[in-house]
Amino acid sequence: QSALTQPASVSESPGQSITISCTGTSSDLGDYQYVSWFQQHPGKAPKLIIYDVSHRPSGVPNRFSGSKSGDTASLTISGLLAEDEGDYYCSAYTASSTRVLFGGGTKLTVL
Amino acid sequence: VQLVESGGAVVRPGASLRLSCAASGFAFSSFPMHWVRQAPGRGLEWVAIISYGESDLYYADSVKGRFTISRDNSKDTLYLEMNSLRPEDTATYYCAREGNFYDTNGYPGVILFDSWGQGTLVTVSS
Repeated sequence: QSALTQPASVSESPGQSITISCTGTSSDLGDYQYVSWFQQHPGKAPKLIIYDVSHRPSGVPNRFSGSKSGDTASLTISGLLAEDEGDYYCSAYTASSTRVLFGGGTKLTVL
Repeated sequence: VQLVESGGAVVRPGASLRLSCAASGFAFSSFPMHWVRQAPGRGLEWVAIISYGESDLYYADSVKGRFTISRDNSKDTLYLEMNSLRPEDTATYYCAREGNFYDTNGYPGVILFDSWGQGTLVTVSS
């Protein structure tokens, strides 16, 4: 089963907003709500920033928000800070024996 | 919550290796656990899941038949037995917890993945 599709990179200036998309098929994103988003800085383990499409774990700023429409989930980061620079991954449960899919990752550059 | 992986090494193609993930700070036996890997400079790839009761096991097609996930709830430890290793298995291997929550209607839901270890590097090279 193919990975979820994310843009390879996105860049924006500090203080602005960006949205990263994550597109699947009806057998993964279409049928399941358990979409998560992760932030990863170089040399570090991924960190959960959004779960179940739009919920933020405690400690994650409300500048991070998630949504989903049909087969596409989205992560929006508003009021960009330099520390937001890094790689972002989406993931979702699937209906197949490959229980979990990841997106290919999106590199965010804060100019 | 703390997850600490160990067992990574440099091995030859065809070799075997066992990774461990020691858990602490939570009721390990109550949570499904996963292995996720990341090849150098590449994205995250899900590897395997084991249910909290060990009855349900699933694997990525890329490792099916070669890797075995297991757990010892008495030792709060997760394992990944890797056989017939290939150069393309070279990666940092993370263990990750599958969390849970209850929505506003009281229904249970799944959190992919609410805690991660720091990772252990496996290098397969001749």
